[in-house]
Amino acid sequence: QKEVEQDPGPLSVPEGAIVSLNCTYSNSAFQYFMWYRQYSRKGPELLMYTYSSGNKEDGRFTAQVDKSSKYISLFIRDSQPSDSATYLCAMSGPGAGSYQLTFGKGTKLSVIP
Amino acid sequence: GAGVSQTPSNKVTEKGKYVELRCDPISGHTALYWYRQSLGQGPEFLIYFQGTGAADDSGLPNDRFFAVRPEGSVSTLKIQRTERGDSAVYLCASSPTGSSTDTQYFGPGTRLTVL
Repeated sequence: QKEVEQDPGPLSVPEGAIVSLNCTYSNSAFQYFMWYRQYSRKGPELLMYTYSSGNKEDGRFTAQVDKSSKYISLFIRDSQPSDSATYLCAMSGPGAGSYQLTFGKGTKLSVIP
Repeated sequence: GAGVSQTPSNKVTEKGKYVELRCDPISGHTALYWYRQSLGQGPEFLIYFQGTGAADDSGLPNDRFFAVRPEGSVSTLKIQRTERGDSAVYLCASSPTGSSTDTQYFGPGTRLTVL
């Protein structure tokens, strides 16, 4: 079992839909949780960063962390064709080695106009 | 430039050859990271530099892989005796200090194909 599990999809939704992306993890030491967006042939770019359980909202994006269940989610409201990309969850632990990100496989999302 | 740049964008080589991949981090960032992304997978950590020194090279798969950052800015990832299994996108990232709360800014990657 990998440390971080993420359904690779692909996921196809109509424009305007609410999208839910999820990851589970096994390492209870993880304390920092991120969502990156990666367009085709580009590097990942940070979307959301959280370090505690609960919700964090930024525009159309909401990140949710449930440490007791070792489960994180990203919700995209009013999805747009420009949201079509691969979404990667990433996480790291505290202390030494906290710079080392552990990524999920990524979920490929297509938003159809 | 404003972001992390990597050259070349694509590299095709033959099995057994030596390759060098270059990364130019964001100016002023002391922390630099290399990751490898195989097809259909997320990036996997290779090595972390703090300044000129490799603070953590635990992700390098074997001794054919080596990286340097001699002046604390540009970094070069070197792969000797390339194998077909080395084919992947090699991503470089930089961050201001290397702390756990830093954002890691990624470059576009170098797509390495070993024939």
